[in-house]
Amino acid sequence: DQQVKQNSPSLSVQEGRISILNCDYTNSMFDYFLWYKKYPAEGPTFLISISSIKDKNEDGRFTVFLNKSAKHLSLHIVPSQPGDSAVYFCAASRASGTYKYIFGTGTRLKVLA
Amino acid sequence: DVKVTQSSRYLVKRTGEKVFLECVQDMDHENMFWYRQDPGLGLRLIYFSYDVKMKEKGDIPEGYSVSREKKERFSLILESASTNQTSMYLCASSDPRGGYGYTFGSGTRLTVV
Repeated sequence: DQQVKQNSPSLSVQEGRISILNCDYTNSMFDYFLWYKKYPAEGPTFLISISSIKDKNEDGRFTVFLNKSAKHLSLHIVPSQPGDSAVYFCAASRASGTYKYIFGTGTRLKVLA
Repeated sequence: DVKVTQSSRYLVKRTGEKVFLECVQDMDHENMFWYRQDPGLGLRLIYFSYDVKMKEKGDIPEGYSVSREKKERFSLILESASTNQTSMYLCASSDPRGGYGYTFGSGTRLTVV
């Protein structure tokens, strides 16, 4: 049973436009969420996080939105740059214990120059 | 700069071999994790450890074992490698007091022939 889902395996966006990556989760006990970015042949790197006490968190060009009632989060990248081309994973956990994260299947973003 | 180091970037092993994947972190983190990444399946948790000599099964532990004799080192063992264990293996560590997600290693691309 996939508790964290990224239903779009790929996304192409023109440079300078907004990229929106979506993630849905099923477990209402999740209360801490992360986005990771992964380039080929490298490990994932942390991008941005959000706790369930917030509905938005910004860091430069990256904004994560959380809709708890819909069990949905999204990552907005504005403006998109060619260097943003990577696979993006969302991850969810309970903010207690071992912080064991469940990852989505990933969305491959391609930003076209 | 904090690091999680995986001993090999690429490995090729034969079916039936016993394979050791090593991971070392220098952040004094209590938690360590082994994931595998496969196309369309995202990152799936194999095993994790929240203390020396402690281990817990993740979602796909079959065919794997782990060892954590020292806090900084977490080893993944493929008891008898099979072709369906060809994958990218990612080690990660985290500090449960911080809750800010994992630091990942660069990954080991294992091919079993």
